[in-house]
Amino acid sequence: NAGVMQNPRHLVRRRGQEARLRCSPMKGHSHVYWYRQLPEEGLKFMVYLQKENIIDESGMPKERFSAEFPKEGPSILRIQQVVRGDSAAYFCASSPQRGEAHNEQFFGPGTRLTVL
Amino acid sequence: AQSVTQLGSHVSVSEGALVLLRCNYSSSVPPYLFWYVQYPNQGLQLLLKYTTGATLVKGINGFEAEFKKSETSFHLTKPSAHMSDAAEYFCAVSDTGGFKTIFGAGTRLFVKA
Repeated sequence: NAGVMQNPRHLVRRRGQEARLRCSPMKGHSHVYWYRQLPEEGLKFMVYLQKENIIDESGMPKERFSAEFPKEGPSILRIQQVVRGDSAAYFCASSPQRGEAHNEQFFGPGTRLTVL
Repeated sequence: AQSVTQLGSHVSVSEGALVLLRCNYSSSVPPYLFWYVQYPNQGLQLLLKYTTGATLVKGINGFEAEFKKSETSFHLTKPSAHMSDAAEYFCAVSDTGGFKTIFGAGTRLFVKA
């Protein structure tokens, strides 16, 4: 059973470009979470999605960032007009049930975004 | 609001010595508590979790943690460090009704030969 997959693993963008990060949850998981990890910091929650629904996006910056989890295909985290401060590691996690806080979240290997 | 404080951003121990990584939490409701490990350039892997029941929780790789409600602590220990334990460790908390997991800033563990 494949784990959570993220691609690309490394992404380099110039200021003003768009970054698209993809996450395929584990088989059978319908809940996806995105986190951002800045250097020397812990993970910061960004958004929680179910298929075709954004459940909580309280951690998402108000501008330039968006996320989706379509009925078919991976979850996408999109960052428009990237700035140097967006450079970070972005992790996706998935879980099989909603609201079951004791359920482990399974993490992908992350996408390391570098903005030049 | 929930929060997690990890004391010590860096901890260094000798191989074979006791590992103690400290975590204190704040939660207005009974918490679920987690320890995750992150190896370089990898995602997080669950070491152990506390939900309900026994307060001493055993995890993978010989790690264990004890939930102490009176001290609002969930410290991670391992009796004898191994070189392969060198990694970053994150304590995390979520509440019983929700889904959002709050992570501490992490503690990087160094193991000296």
